[in-house]
Amino acid sequence: DIQMTQSPSSLSASVGDRVTITCRASQGIRNDLGWYQQKPGKAPKRLIYATSSLHSGVPSRFSGSGSGTEFTLTISSLQPEDFATYFCLQHNSYPYTFGQGTKLEIK
Amino acid sequence: EVQLVESGGGLVKPGGSLRLACAASGFTFSNYSMSWVRQAPGKGLEWVSSMIVRSSSIYYADSVKGRFTISRDNAKNSLYLQMNSLRAEDTAVYYCVRDQWLGYWGQGTLVTVSS
Repeated sequence: DIQMTQSPSSLSASVGDRVTITCRASQGIRNDLGWYQQKPGKAPKRLIYATSSLHSGVPSRFSGSGSGTEFTLTISSLQPEDFATYFCLQHNSYPYTFGQGTKLEIK
Repeated sequence: EVQLVESGGGLVKPGGSLRLACAASGFTFSNYSMSWVRQAPGKGLEWVSSMIVRSSSIYYADSVKGRFTISRDNAKNSLYLQMNSLRAEDTAVYYCVRDQWLGYWGQGTLVTVSS
């Protein structure tokens, strides 16, 4: 199975900050990576697919990059509604695996 | 608008069975692969099963293989997950998810396995 190591597990930041979250795959997954946002009590919502493509309706302050085994999600200027938990997902091969999550909190 | 509405969750005893359903609308259901993903309380996400339209392939996580069965009824625009021999560790919110890249998610249904 492909292991996804996500860091950091938690992050404190302020409105307007630029933040970066990283996922590392235990083996190459080409660009088969997505990023999700989840708020308490709600279902995850996809932000990014195929490493860097923005899901429909997602603000352009979200961006993704990387390839192979190293991937990043960047939020260019944090907004109050961005404080949530973020997960990465590899869909290169079954079983699909998620990162452990990054909880983004207000500083 | 893509809508996925899960139902069928509830409290069940260890060893029991439950069948989850997902009603899909807003897209041509028969054209899309579908998946189930679960999340134990306070924990991360775990992929459970996928049904791939193009290849007619079905995949399961090792943790549910032999106990869970994914199926679909295209005439009813519905996806199902039959869960047998349930264990305490199956307690989770179960999400129905569209396409094999997990693009759209339902709101989830809670399954609690407890005596």
